[in-house]
Amino acid sequence: EVQLVESGGGLVQPGGSLRLSCAASGFTFSSYWMHWVRQVPGKGLIWVSRIKGDGSITTYTDSVKGRFAISRDNAKNTLDLQMNSLRDDDTAVYYCARTHMGNWDYWGQGTLVTVSS
Amino acid sequence: QAGLTQPPSVSKGLGQTATLTCTGNSDNVGNEGVSWLQQHQGHPPKLLSYRNNNRPSGISERFSASRSGSTASLTITGLQPEDEADYYCSTWDSSLSAELFGGGTKLTVL
Repeated sequence: EVQLVESGGGLVQPGGSLRLSCAASGFTFSSYWMHWVRQVPGKGLIWVSRIKGDGSITTYTDSVKGRFAISRDNAKNTLDLQMNSLRDDDTAVYYCARTHMGNWDYWGQGTLVTVSS
Repeated sequence: QAGLTQPPSVSKGLGQTATLTCTGNSDNVGNEGVSWLQQHQGHPPKLLSYRNNNRPSGISERFSASRSGSTASLTITGLQPEDEADYYCSTWDSSLSAELFGGGTKLTVL
């Protein structure tokens, strides 16, 4: 059974840093693109970042470029998102998600990040 | 970054048919496969349809998707109470080099 379990969310002050992790199981992790998608409670989905199965390609949405870094450890089946210089508008539930041939087939339950002083 | 346009809300009666739309352009919907996702309150999204009109196993035949030009559509027939949810379209934008989600449509089943 495919499982994606996020961790690392919490309360952080503006300008601070946080590292999210996603533990994957039930599939050959290194074969899939992995993504981070965020959602302000009550609002829509916003794609944040993606990383290719072998880690060779990373892409970011404009609003997080230079502040966030996506990475993966295929030996440990983990996906990370290092978030620096956090702003109030980064507050959201962050989902780890897998795509297969471009299709969003599995999602984690999400972890809440709150940026507030 | 530009997104995909979805109507914020659609209301239909029990047993009726709802058609949800997603409008983009030739850099995204017009030339890339579109996925549709369903999200119930407090839960992560769930894939309903991919590459314009393919259903994952376990998804009801009441859900069907299509595309015409730069507009994708999700049609839900025989509406049930459990269909009340938020629906999102998604695709890759080749110009922006970014994954896009529509703003979502809240479907209310009356």
